[in-house]
Amino acid sequence: RKEVEQDPGPFNVPEGATVAFNCTYSNSASQSFFWYRQDCRKEPKLLMSVYSSGNEDGRFTAQLNRASQYISLLIRDSKLSDSATYLCVVNLYNTDKLIFGTGTRLQVFP
Amino acid sequence: GAGVSQTPSNKVTEKGKYVELRCDPISGHTALYWYRQSLGQGPEFLIYFQGTGAADDSGLPNDRFFAVRPEGSVSTLKIQRTERGDSAVYLCASSSDRDPGDTQYFGPGTRLTVL
Repeated sequence: RKEVEQDPGPFNVPEGATVAFNCTYSNSASQSFFWYRQDCRKEPKLLMSVYSSGNEDGRFTAQLNRASQYISLLIRDSKLSDSATYLCVVNLYNTDKLIFGTGTRLQVFP
Repeated sequence: GAGVSQTPSNKVTEKGKYVELRCDPISGHTALYWYRQSLGQGPEFLIYFQGTGAADDSGLPNDRFFAVRPEGSVSTLKIQRTERGDSAVYLCASSSDRDPGDTQYFGPGTRLTVL
C-alpha cells in the first residue's frame, strides 16, 4: 500500500466549478501536511500547508482529519489557470523528507 | 531572488555510463534534498543534506547512487553504471530553517534518459 494515496483523475471541470480532491495517508506518525501544485514538465510548487483546524487561501480550502488520516483540497470558482497536477504531501515526525502522492490531474475547460 | 538551479536540464546517456547531476540551492539554505520523479508518479525522496553531511540517505535505491555537498552549498548527484530504469526527472530542493514549516523549494529538475 502506498504511503500517500490519491485518485489520479483526470478531473475535467468547467470554469467556475467547485472541485474537491481527497488524499489518505497510512502512517500515523505523519506530522505535517501540504498540497503542492505541479504544472506539466515543471517543478512542484507549494500551494498551501494543511492544518488540523482547516485553512483557506483565497479560492482554496484545505482540511485535515487526523483520526481518519485524510486530507482534502477544495477549489472554488475554478479558473483555466488552475489546470495542473495537485500533489498531496506528508512529512513524518522527526524527519525532513517529503512523501508525495502520485498527484491528481485537474483540467479546467472554458 | 534566484531560485534553485539544476544542470543540465536534460541528459541523455547510454546504459552503463556514469553521470553527474548538479544542484545549486537558494543562497543561504542549509538543507538540500534530492528526489526522483518517474512518469505518472510523485517525487520520491533520495537523500537529504544538512550542511555538508548527508543526514538521511535512506532513499538512495542502491550503491550506484551517491551524492556529495562538499562545501555545504552546491550538491552533485552521481550515478554509476546507469540502467534504463534510472530514467526519470531528478529534482533538487532546498530549505531554510528560518522559513515557517521549512518549506522546500524545488529546482526545475534534470531529465535523465538512459538509452
